[in-house]
Amino acid sequence: GQNIDQPTEMTATEGAIVQINCTYQTSGFNGLFWYQQHAGEAPTFLSYNVLDGLEEKGRFSSFLSRSKGYSYLLLKELQMKDSASYLCAVWDNYGQNFVFGPGTRLSVLP
Amino acid sequence: GAVVSQHPSRVICKSGTSVKIECRSLDFQATTMFWYRQFPKQSLMLMATSNEGSKATYEQGVEKDKFLINHASLTLSTLTVTSAHPEDSSFYICSAATGRSEKLFFGSGTQLSVL
Repeated sequence: GQNIDQPTEMTATEGAIVQINCTYQTSGFNGLFWYQQHAGEAPTFLSYNVLDGLEEKGRFSSFLSRSKGYSYLLLKELQMKDSASYLCAVWDNYGQNFVFGPGTRLSVLP
Repeated sequence: GAVVSQHPSRVICKSGTSVKIECRSLDFQATTMFWYRQFPKQSLMLMATSNEGSKATYEQGVEKDKFLINHASLTLSTLTVTSAHPEDSSFYICSAATGRSEKLFFGSGTQLSVL
């Protein structure tokens, strides 16, 4: 079956670093996506990992370990505008569809 | 949590035919539904925002006459791809807003293949 787990909520302080973990189980894995979603808005694409390792993009980095079915999104130098939900999603190559995690609601406090 | 059901999950059709995709919120009333399109290994592209009882708001570059959206009730929105062509082959996904949560709840998507 397909299953993705993320923490439901996280809180961090402005300027700090936060790591949002994601574990997944899926068949025919072909990539893991992270999306950011602000309240009432469509999700916006953050990152895509298909190979093991760390992908860095500015303040955001995403890590993937396919053997462990594990990924994390690392947010550095947190800003208030980073308060949002972060969605982990995997592309199931066998089913040819996206499987999304429940999302992690991050609150950045001053 | 809230559930959004999207059907069908996969459609294969001939060029020139129309395809209807349904998006239902099963256990909540969705005042707003979003329709996305996604090509392989690319991010979701918002096509339109559908509000119950009113006309959908389309994103720039999305043909409203080709992608008909109807949101007739608080639990159902439909996307009809009219006169589909091979370039319309893509993954279409809907999501719904509860109005009570910051989260959007997504359908499982529809893979459309136009031959």
